[in-house]
Amino acid sequence: DQQVKQNSPSLSVQEGRISILNCDYTNSMFDYFLWYKKYPAEGPTFLISISSIKDKNEDGRFTVFLNKSAKHLSLHIVPSQPGDSAVYFCAANDGSGNTGKLIFGQGTTLQVKP
Amino acid sequence: KAGVTQTPRYLIKTRGQQVTLSCSPISGHRSVSWYQQTPGQGLQFLFEYFSETQRNKGNFPGRFSGRQFSNSRSEMNVSTLELGDSALYLCASSARTGGNYGYTFGSGTRLTVV
Repeated sequence: DQQVKQNSPSLSVQEGRISILNCDYTNSMFDYFLWYKKYPAEGPTFLISISSIKDKNEDGRFTVFLNKSAKHLSLHIVPSQPGDSAVYFCAANDGSGNTGKLIFGQGTTLQVKP
Repeated sequence: KAGVTQTPRYLIKTRGQQVTLSCSPISGHRSVSWYQQTPGQGLQFLFEYFSETQRNKGNFPGRFSGRQFSNSRSEMNVSTLELGDSALYLCASSARTGGNYGYTFGSGTRLTVV
């Protein structure tokens, strides 16, 4: 079963506007969440993370929000730039504490139009 | 400093053969994880090694195996290749184990089984 879901395969926004990428999870034991960005022919690049004890984390243009009761997190990019066009993956740590196993969503392809 | 290096970048193998993929982590990183990325399944965790010990294993058949050397370099092996093993294989390293720490990914090895 898919424990981390990104229900929107793609998203298109205009340059300068806000991009909102969503992610849902099912396992309440997840204690750490991460967002990665991936360009074609490259490995994923770490963007931002959030611990389950927080509800918001901000880094420059990127903000991640966590709603534990809804088992939902979102990544906000403001303002969006054409260089942000990539596939975005949401990932969760499986809650076992000491292992590096990340469970990834299927990814959302973001296109930022100039 | 140098990033995560995966070799080879591209590989074509015949069904039934075996293959070995290599990953050199960032200097000083002791944790290495492997992931398989396919269009249908997204990124799926294969296994993680830390200080030459397998810490966690994903839900893959025994044909998939790995190891880590004393210099933290890691290899993964797939025996008796099947067409469905065609995928991008990604390696990620971190200074410590645990999803709370940022994992840096390599560019991957694109394996095609014919």
